[in-house]
Amino acid sequence: RKEVEQDPGPFNVPEGATVAFNCTYSNSASQSFFWYRQDCRKEPKLLMSVYSSGNEDGRFTAQLNRASQYISLLIRDSKLSDSATYLCVAQDSSYKLIFGSGTRLLVRP
Amino acid sequence: DVKVTQSSRYLVKRTGEKVFLECVQDMDHENMFWYRQDPGLGLRLIYFSYDVKMKEKGDIPEGYSVSREKKERFSLILESASTNQTSMYLCASSPGGMNTGELFFGEGSRLTVL
Repeated sequence: RKEVEQDPGPFNVPEGATVAFNCTYSNSASQSFFWYRQDCRKEPKLLMSVYSSGNEDGRFTAQLNRASQYISLLIRDSKLSDSATYLCVAQDSSYKLIFGSGTRLLVRP
Repeated sequence: DVKVTQSSRYLVKRTGEKVFLECVQDMDHENMFWYRQDPGLGLRLIYFSYDVKMKEKGDIPEGYSVSREKKERFSLILESASTNQTSMYLCASSPGGMNTGELFFGEGSRLTVL
């Protein structure tokens, strides 16, 4: 079983739609969580951290459910430029980052 | 602007060749990492380093070695390349301290082993 699991997608949505991705992690000792974004043929870049209380950055909202061991990312009012692969990341107790294999999002006009 | 530079974007090598992948960062970061990224498997950590001349094995170190002689440079070495090492290799760096979640990645080196 993978330590961090994501639906690979692709999620194909129209511009303006709201889309949500979930991610589950298996290590209950994981301490911190993050979402990274990776554009096609580019390197991953940090999108946002995920806090226990949930956090919002513009159109993006990240939430953590420790009891169920899942993390979510909600994107409102999708833009064409949101098309990318979104990587869920858990940080274990030794501070190592464990990456999911990513969820691909396609936003169509 | 932060910059992690990988020496080669694309390489084609033959089985058994020795391969060097170079990575340089200009941010004075203490931590450097080598990952490989394969479809469906995500990023897997090969080796990392928290200081000059220091190295630690990641999750898949077999068939690889690393060198960190200078703070800004972290090299990945494939002593004898094999076809199952065909992959995208990503170098990353981060500031000192072990609890940072932000890695700065290079653009990647796509290696094909024939």
